[in-house]
Amino acid sequence: QSALTQPASVSGSPGQSITISCTGTSSDIGAYNYVSWYQQHPGKAPKLIIYDVSNRPSGVSNRFSVSKSGNTASLTISGLQPEDEADYYCISYASSSTYVFGIGTKVTVL
Amino acid sequence: EVQLVESGGGLVQPGGSLRLSCAASGFTFSTYWMHWVRQAPGKGLVWLSRIKGDEITTNYADSVKGRFTISRDNAKNTLYLQMDSLRAEDTAVYYCARGAYLAYYMDVWGKGTTVTVSS
Repeated sequence: QSALTQPASVSGSPGQSITISCTGTSSDIGAYNYVSWYQQHPGKAPKLIIYDVSNRPSGVSNRFSVSKSGNTASLTISGLQPEDEADYYCISYASSSTYVFGIGTKVTVL
Repeated sequence: EVQLVESGGGLVQPGGSLRLSCAASGFTFSTYWMHWVRQAPGKGLVWLSRIKGDEITTNYADSVKGRFTISRDNAKNTLYLQMDSLRAEDTAVYYCARGAYLAYYMDVWGKGTTVTVSS
């Protein structure tokens, strides 16, 4: 149950697009289409922004999109805005009916 | 309004025990899986455990298996996490979260309760 691999930090200017990768194994991301993503602002609870690889909950901006290939899922934030500055976590359902989070990525809007 | 409110956090000595609670409201509690997730200071989210609505079926992360016990009381709409043999590295904010209906993600989160393990 090792944590999924994410870059520690990603930055971009307003309006740009950034991509956060989330790499796992054939026992988690590679085995299931059950990857979700959460946004967390400092001192706040995580907020669901993507589920089942590429679906957005109601009210979440379509600037957030996800792709998946093999053992890696990638979150793209297009048209970066100041309010996107936060920590982002991926999580995947895994074998043995457990879940594993990514280590988290700090997004900075320059 | 769907709401989860954690309680029971506090300061506990190493080797001690603590029971966290999560009061649920605004939805039919017994039909949802419920999860516990923690976040150590300045660190990332870690999934700990989940329990099915049947109050019986449970799963645990290896890191807490044997020390933490998840349970629920559907009559009281409350989720619990019994934490034993606590260590300094268990210091964290503990969140409860609802598993989305018939799905494999968490859609509603509480605000968390803080546990500090220190002498």
